[in-house]
Amino acid sequence: GESVGLHLPTLSVQEGDNSIINCAYSNSASDYFIWYKQESGKGPQFIIDIRSNMDKRQGQRVTVLLNKTVKHLSLQIAATQPGDSAVYFCAVNNQGGKLIFGQGTELSVKP
Amino acid sequence: EPEVTQTPSHQVTQMGQEVILRCVPISNHLYFYWYRQILGQKVEFLVSFYNNEISEKSEIFDDQFSVERPDGSNFTLKIRSTKLEDSAMYFCASSVEGAGYTFGSGTRLTVV
Repeated sequence: GESVGLHLPTLSVQEGDNSIINCAYSNSASDYFIWYKQESGKGPQFIIDIRSNMDKRQGQRVTVLLNKTVKHLSLQIAATQPGDSAVYFCAVNNQGGKLIFGQGTELSVKP
Repeated sequence: EPEVTQTPSHQVTQMGQEVILRCVPISNHLYFYWYRQILGQKVEFLVSFYNNEISEKSEIFDDQFSVERPDGSNFTLKIRSTKLEDSAMYFCASSVEGAGYTFGSGTRLTVV
């Protein structure tokens, strides 16, 4: 089966700095990866996704990097803002069906 | 933007009672899911549903749980004989095949 882990349970950054949140997965057959943001009392909110045929994808202020060799996924947030404070989860999908979530990294942004 | 809608937002029930959590998935999505998140923990898969039947379920999804799509828009999770440890946030999600996973805001279930 698949297991998904995050490297740091918490991350504190200064407003305006860049944030990097990391995630590792175990199943080399995993082919679809998603980053979610979860604010207190709310459901996971889609941020960005990437498929296994890519190694980088950019959105607005966010970049996802995928290293299939070491089975590692990262989320980079540029110019982090107080509104980015939340718990961030990576989720992994194996050829359709369920998502397996990591433990989550709580991002705190200091003004 | 299309949303997954869940009701109620908060449900308090006595131990041993049955609860039904309701969801309205995104209208053109064909795959439906229930996930659970115990306070402070990660989101855990419970069950996936496609073409009017369960396509996959986790070890958590035992005989206490059931899902149903009673009409063309609703997707429900029934929990029979609730236990204290069933207290959690329950999230409904829907997707197209292999993409577009969208989560609802969740139902907070409190078993007392």
